[in-house]
Amino acid sequence: DTGVSQNPRHKITKRGQNVTFRCDPISEHNRLYWYRQTLGQGPEFLTYFQNEAQLEKSRLLSDRFSAERPKGSFSTLEIQRTEQGDSAMYLCASSPTGELPLYQETQYFGPGTRLLVL
Amino acid sequence: AQSVSQHNHHVILSEAASLELGCNYSYGGTVNLFWYVQYPGQHLQLLLKYFSGDPLVKGIKGFEAEFIKSKFSFNLRKPSVQWSDTAEYFCAVNAQGATNKLIFGTGTLLAVQP
Repeated sequence: DTGVSQNPRHKITKRGQNVTFRCDPISEHNRLYWYRQTLGQGPEFLTYFQNEAQLEKSRLLSDRFSAERPKGSFSTLEIQRTEQGDSAMYLCASSPTGELPLYQETQYFGPGTRLLVL
Repeated sequence: AQSVSQHNHHVILSEAASLELGCNYSYGGTVNLFWYVQYPGQHLQLLLKYFSGDPLVKGIKGFEAEFIKSKFSFNLRKPSVQWSDTAEYFCAVNAQGATNKLIFGTGTLLAVQP
């Protein structure tokens, strides 16, 4: 399977614990995005990487959230001191850097990590 | 700020019925428009996209969408739905020149009855 992969697929944690999610983009895709989707809503943008540089962060990404993309390959999203409001599906997407302008690139989404904070 | 509205949260159709899902966006500049679909148990995948040119765009599986600039709309259509079209459909926009973050609508859950 050469699509975007995410691990774990499900995570149940207690309030106050830290969690970390991993995203492996499609090989050679330079751009990587994180989104969050809550019940009954569409995905909401969290952050964007081009290679290893984090170029944009949403206001949704509080101080408890941090994302990294070392070496411009896989990415991790960490949530510290989880709260019940963090329960959501966390989606990762990647897109290639090619001949198309940035805004014309198609984003390919992974299956997501579903987080439940008790 | 950009926003996307999808008017229908749930749609139930019988097979062979025609489909039209509404999408309106709010943004004053030039936008790019997308429809994504999420089949049960699967991840989001692109149905079609519009950047410029012919406002009627065709996507996969017989879907099409029409961009009407004066109405800020990008409605999704299919002449005859099948049971396999049962899925959640999301309209999304991004702004040309900005980063490629997508702004999604709340989605429309389509159930096609055999």
